[in-house]
Amino acid sequence: RKEVEQDPGPFNVPEGATVAFNCTYSNSASQSFFWYRQDCRKEPKLLMSVYSSGNEDGRFTAQLNRASQYISLLIRDSKLSDSATYLCVVNYPSTSYGKLTFGQGTILTVHP
Amino acid sequence: DAGVTQSPTHLIKTRGQQVTLRCSPKSGHDTVSWYQQALGQGPQFIFQYYEEEERQRGNFPDRFSGHQFPNYSSELNVNALLLGDSALYLCASSWTGYDSPLHFGNGTRLTVT
Repeated sequence: RKEVEQDPGPFNVPEGATVAFNCTYSNSASQSFFWYRQDCRKEPKLLMSVYSSGNEDGRFTAQLNRASQYISLLIRDSKLSDSATYLCVVNYPSTSYGKLTFGQGTILTVHP
Repeated sequence: DAGVTQSPTHLIKTRGQQVTLRCSPKSGHDTVSWYQQALGQGPQFIFQYYEEEERQRGNFPDRFSGHQFPNYSSELNVNALLLGDSALYLCASSWTGYDSPLHFGNGTRLTVT
């Protein structure tokens, strides 16, 4: 089983749609969680951290369910510019210096 | 404020050759991590350098080695290149310590023929 698993998609949605991505992780002792965004042939960039209480940043909402070892990202009112690959990222406590484990990414395409 | 810079941008090598990739971290960062990203996959952790020493290592063979210099810049060396080493190599810098977000460079795209 992969340490971090994501549905690779692709997700094709119209502008204005709401779309949700899911991610599961295998190590129950994981401590911190992130969503990164990666545009085609570009480097990953931090989109948002994921906190236990859930957090929101504009149109983006991240949720964490520790009991189910599950992370989600919700994008409301999708824009064309949201088209990218979304990477679920987990930091394990045994690697306290910031070694991150990435999922394979979920591809999102927003069309007019 | 300069971000993470990597060189070269693209590289083509043949099997068996050796390659060196370079990275300058974001100003103020002291930790450098290297990742390999194959097409259609997420980045895979190679190793991390802090205070000129390898602090952590992922599941990569000894053909992959690195170095960090006193100015925090870093190199990734790969010996005896294989076709499977073709990938995007990403350097990321951060503050040392837990939960410090990573800042990635644009990457070096290595093609092994």
